[in-house]
Amino acid sequence: GAVVSQHPSWVICKSGTSVKIECRSLDFQATTMFWYRQFPKQSLMLMATSNEGSKATYEQGVEKDKFLINHASLTLSTLTVTSAHPEDSSFYICSAPSGGPNNQPQHFGDGTRLSIL
Amino acid sequence: QKEVEQNSGPLSVPEGAIASLNCTYSDRGSQSFFWYRQYSGKSPELIMSIYSNGDKEDGRFTAQLNKASQYVSLLIRDSQPSDSATYLCAAGGTSYGKLTFGQGTILTVHP
Repeated sequence: GAVVSQHPSWVICKSGTSVKIECRSLDFQATTMFWYRQFPKQSLMLMATSNEGSKATYEQGVEKDKFLINHASLTLSTLTVTSAHPEDSSFYICSAPSGGPNNQPQHFGDGTRLSIL
Repeated sequence: QKEVEQNSGPLSVPEGAIASLNCTYSDRGSQSFFWYRQYSGKSPELIMSIYSNGDKEDGRFTAQLNKASQYVSLLIRDSQPSDSATYLCAAGGTSYGKLTFGQGTILTVHP
């Protein structure tokens, strides 16, 4: 079945550091990928839609200059959290559709737990 | 604003019982509906997808969709302790593939 690989799974770093998270579709091509953020005991909130070969589409309230998204190939999207601060600590999850109706269902990566000290 | 609401829970059922999870959605343009299971610290895992009115069964799981009432449900028969998790309802709309998630319902199945 469709597999999405996300790396790294866990990051701990100092405030002010920039962190890059990779999301790869391993056995299918994804022109669109999605990035979600999940705070403890809350649901997944869509941050942005990553589009291969074009700019990402950000949801309302998400700072595009802080959360840089690059979708350079049909199998790789990256999310860079620039100058991360403790309030950016969260669980970041990517997903990619595998080509079903209405681009569903989504296949999720294993997530990246980001802790900013 | 597009919303997906789930019964708040937490829900606790004894092993072997039926667990019933409910969800309503506000966007009538939603065309696809999903139930995901999420264990603590893990990413969501797709349990069921449903696209048309009626029931869809897969093993111990049955999803029900009523578009007129904008209502989706998930029944888990013969609940097992391993079913204990947070269940997320999600609705998808256009061909872009965006999903709107509900807040989740925590299910505990006790032996």
